[in-house]
Amino acid sequence: AQSVTQLGSHVSVSEGALVLLRCNYSSSVPPYLFWYVQYPNQGLQLLLKYTTGATLVKGINGFEAEFKKSETSFHLTKPSAHMSDAAEYFCAVSGGGATNKLIFGTGTLLAVQP
Amino acid sequence: NAGVTQTPKFQVLKTGQSMTLQCAQDMNHEYMSWYRQDPGMGLRLIHYSVGAGITDQGEVPNGYNVSRSTTEDFPLRLLSAAPSQTSVYFCASSSQNGSPLHFGNGTRLTVT
Repeated sequence: AQSVTQLGSHVSVSEGALVLLRCNYSSSVPPYLFWYVQYPNQGLQLLLKYTTGATLVKGINGFEAEFKKSETSFHLTKPSAHMSDAAEYFCAVSGGGATNKLIFGTGTLLAVQP
Repeated sequence: NAGVTQTPKFQVLKTGQSMTLQCAQDMNHEYMSWYRQDPGMGLRLIHYSVGAGITDQGEVPNGYNVSRSTTEDFPLRLLSAAPSQTSVYFCASSSQNGSPLHFGNGTRLTVT
């Protein structure tokens, strides 16, 4: 079984500051990990994904995440926040097998202050 | 490409009414799934399908039925709506296991 924990339901940063959104996962099999972003009244959009290979993955809009197996973590970072980054961010895990069931975390709402 | 199309965008039902949320994708994806999104709870998987004729239950299947007669369509049926089913519903599809999900824009359902 898989599960995801996102620490901090609300995160606020100043424009230009580092963004760090935390995600820890639990999986009985090698995980596939994803970060999605949701803007108000829209569906979810993929930011980045980790399946195998390089543990530091780069995504869209300057975001990146590092898979750390020893810490069971997949934290999302961006060096410099922009006002347009204000949105809700979801971490998700897929445990492989014959299906593609994503298990989502409860989300982190990112606010960017001018 | 239209991607994943959900209809309707908004719906209000009375308790006990039935309805079908429609989902269609034009990407020839084998995998399709339905999620509901509630404040503070993230997205929870209702039902999913790995191909036409094959469906299975997710985390919160009670009160919902699905069928998959074609690759393109994956409707979600509420047989007798309850206020607890007030939520935003998202349909998603992907090409294969581990591939990213493509989401529709959601259906906002209110049950009074």
